[in-house]
Amino acid sequence: QKEVEQDPGPLSVPEGAIVSLNCTYSNSAFQYFMWYRQYSRKGPELLMYTYSSGNKEDGRFTAQVDKSSKYISLFIRDSQPSDSATYLCAMSSFSSSGAGSYQLTFGKGTKLSVIP
Amino acid sequence: SQTIHQWPATLVQPVGSPLSLECTVEGTSNPNLYWYRQAAGRGLQLLFYSVGIGQISSEVPQNLSASRPQDRQFILSSKKLLLSDSGFYLCAWSVQSGTYEQYFGPGTRLTVT
Repeated sequence: QKEVEQDPGPLSVPEGAIVSLNCTYSNSAFQYFMWYRQYSRKGPELLMYTYSSGNKEDGRFTAQVDKSSKYISLFIRDSQPSDSATYLCAMSSFSSSGAGSYQLTFGKGTKLSVIP
Repeated sequence: SQTIHQWPATLVQPVGSPLSLECTVEGTSNPNLYWYRQAAGRGLQLLFYSVGIGQISSEVPQNLSASRPQDRQFILSSKKLLLSDSGFYLCAWSVQSGTYEQYFGPGTRLTVT
């Protein structure tokens, strides 16, 4: 079983739709969760991060973490063509060793297209 | 504010040739630095990370090496490129402690022919 599972899509939605992007994970030690947006041929851009279960909202974006189910989501409201990109989830656990505390485990990304 | 630079942006190299990719960070001190490779369908693979000058940890055995000659400079090298080294190489930084977010550079697209 892979540590982080993310549906690669592609996911195609009409402009204005609500988008739901999801990741599941198997390592219960993961405590820190991030979402990145990556446009084609560009580096990933940090969108949101959260260190706790529950919801965190930032404009049109809401990150949701359910640690009991090992499931995280990113919701995009009123989706725009400019939201068309690949979305990567990432997570990390604190480790008492120096090495583990600096590493992120990434999903493979979901490619989203928002059609005008 | 912090800025991360990578160069070159694109590179086409023949098999067996050497490689040097450079990454520099501005606006922060003592960052942790990372090299990743992103291949199609394979996600982000951590290659090296560094917590200080001259301190390099390798995650994947391969023909690549990394060096950190200055606090905010990270270099990825190879003596002889393989076809399998083709990919999108990303440099990232994070603060030393307290948070876990990493910030990525624009990337270098390497094609080995």
